[in-house]
Amino acid sequence: DAKTTQPPSMDCAEGRAANLPCNHSTISGNEYVYWYRQIHSQGPQYIIHGLKNNETNEMASLIITEDRKSSTLILPHATLRDTAVYYCIVRVDFQGAQKLVFGQGTRLTINP
Amino acid sequence: DGGITQSPKYLFRKEGQNVTLSCEQNLNHDAMYWYRQDPGQGLRLIYYSQIVNDFQKGDIAEGYSVSREKKESFPLTVTSAQKNPTAFYLCASKNWSPNYGYTFGSGTRLTVV
Repeated sequence: DAKTTQPPSMDCAEGRAANLPCNHSTISGNEYVYWYRQIHSQGPQYIIHGLKNNETNEMASLIITEDRKSSTLILPHATLRDTAVYYCIVRVDFQGAQKLVFGQGTRLTINP
Repeated sequence: DGGITQSPKYLFRKEGQNVTLSCEQNLNHDAMYWYRQDPGQGLRLIYYSQIVNDFQKGDIAEGYSVSREKKESFPLTVTSAQKNPTAFYLCASKNWSPNYGYTFGSGTRLTVV
């Protein structure tokens, strides 16, 4: 019951900005959008999250459309170490609690 | 440093045996979660716990059991009833603030031999 759709793979040149899109057209008004990345056989690493405003931290920027039906994660200056699977996740309410529902993610490859 | 620790990193089990995966956090987080990941797939929720002595089934709880006797610990037992236990298991925790994300452990890779 993943609520997000992402392209299965993307490529980006080292030093350029990597823009990863995500569709979440069924998102509810109080559901947050989270981004995580996972390098092979490691635990997912938190990147950023937001509700409706754009967010920026030391790792990335998150742009959420006004209707909240899609978002874009921006890695401003991609490096080879940014090669990973990136998950766009909607945090849903579930039996009074909150859980992350993972989709398939986007495999981002940064090329030298 | 605060964090979440899973052990062991690799685990081998014979068919028909139960095995327990450890998850410990010193982040003072209230909520803890267990996820399963199969090759090339996203994570699926097995069990979660919001407070001590309380836990709830996730999407794929059959063949698994958990306990939450301490805030810091949320062990997962993979029982012999789990038909396809070979997978990568991830534990996560979170506090109640909306300003922070979920913290994941480094995972345990379980292989049934």
